[in-house]
Amino acid sequence: GAGVSQSPRYKVAKRGQDVALRCDPISGHVSLFWYQQALGQGPEFLTYFQNEAQLDKSGLPSDRFFAERPEGSVSTLKIQRTQQEDSAVYLCASSPLGPLTVGYTFGSGTRLTVV
Amino acid sequence: SQQGEEDPQALSIQEGENATMNCSYKTSINNLQWYRQNSGRGLVHLILIRSNEREKHSGRLRVTLDTSKKSSSLLITASRAADTASYFCATDNSGTYKYIFGTGTRLKVLA
Repeated sequence: GAGVSQSPRYKVAKRGQDVALRCDPISGHVSLFWYQQALGQGPEFLTYFQNEAQLDKSGLPSDRFFAERPEGSVSTLKIQRTQQEDSAVYLCASSPLGPLTVGYTFGSGTRLTVV
Repeated sequence: SQQGEEDPQALSIQEGENATMNCSYKTSINNLQWYRQNSGRGLVHLILIRSNEREKHSGRLRVTLDTSKKSSSLLITASRAADTASYFCATDNSGTYKYIFGTGTRLKVLA
């Protein structure tokens, strides 16, 4: 597609509920990133995929967070048993492989509110 | 944890004035990027500067990089109300794929 598409735009979850956030990157982009952005803060790295391989998940805050990209295109970030501290905007970005020349392309994000 | 810090945290100027934002970072880098984020939206890439460059221009944007001081600045000339947004620097953390973002500067341009 023309840009990175994320859905849903907004999600309200009750504490303890599981949620799944979807990212559809730019066609052909090998690299895919998930970031978490708390209110008033900069984005914080969660995880990185190169095609279907999850090469880095060092930023995932707990084992309740799980990300996958099974066919090397669409990715899903799943949060189990949501807690209030999970409330944030979740951003997905993609880029071609190789030395970065033009920066990431970000989606508009999913704003998750846990009540 | 966040690698960089932007300064100031918030800036309010009149339309037509110049806006300068600064970014400091901690580790060595291959390149540094600046992004803009409008309220409630994703980040938009503005400019990328490599560690062997000292200055780069793009339209009304001017970015400088001082690797000896581990700092960068973003200058927006002749600001417009549409420039109102948060601005973030991002560094590649010693040349890895993992970009680390700063805390951001919230710019408000008054018409």
